[in-house]
Amino acid sequence: NAGVMQNPRHLVRRRGQEARLRCSPMKGHSHVYWYRQLPEEGLKFMVYLQKENIIDESGMPKERFSAEFPKEGPSILRIQQVVRGDSAAYFCASSEGAENTEAFFGQGTRLTVV
Amino acid sequence: QQQVKQSPQSLIVQKGGISIINCAYENTAFDYFPWYQQFPGKGPALLIAIRPDVSEKKEGRFTISFNKSAKQFSLHIMDSQPGDSATYFCAARSASGTYKYIFGTGTRLKVLA
Repeated sequence: NAGVMQNPRHLVRRRGQEARLRCSPMKGHSHVYWYRQLPEEGLKFMVYLQKENIIDESGMPKERFSAEFPKEGPSILRIQQVVRGDSAAYFCASSEGAENTEAFFGQGTRLTVV
Repeated sequence: QQQVKQSPQSLIVQKGGISIINCAYENTAFDYFPWYQQFPGKGPALLIAIRPDVSEKKEGRFTISFNKSAKQFSLHIMDSQPGDSATYFCAARSASGTYKYIFGTGTRLKVLA
């Protein structure tokens, strides 16, 4: 049973380009969380999605950031017109359900904006 | 109210010693408290978790102590080993609303050989 798969592991983008980060949850998991981690800092909640629904996006910047979790395929975190401040590690976690379930993290995507 | 405060920021322990990391929260709606271990360049890995209906949970060398009235919980690593050197995050999840996880700021543990 594969764990949470994130790709790419490393992503370099020039300022102004778009970054697409993908997350395939564990088999049987329908809940996905995205977190951002700056160097030497903790994990900051960004967005929580279920299949085809955004449940909580209170941690997402209002502009340039969007997330989706379609019925088929991975969850996508999209950052448009990236800036240097977007450079961070982005982690995805998945869980089987909302209550009484554990969340498991992927290895992360390290985004570098040059 | 959504914060989870974690201390210390860093910790150095001798091999064989006990590592203790503390967390405190305000939101009484939190109902699940996991601890994650993160090695450099890796994702956080679930280590151990507790619910507020128990005061202690032990798995191997790792123990969570939970004080519901004080709204505090802590991770104890017994017989600490150099391989335990990592960053540890406590977290809390709300039983109401959207069930998102709120993380502490992390503790960098170094166990000296």
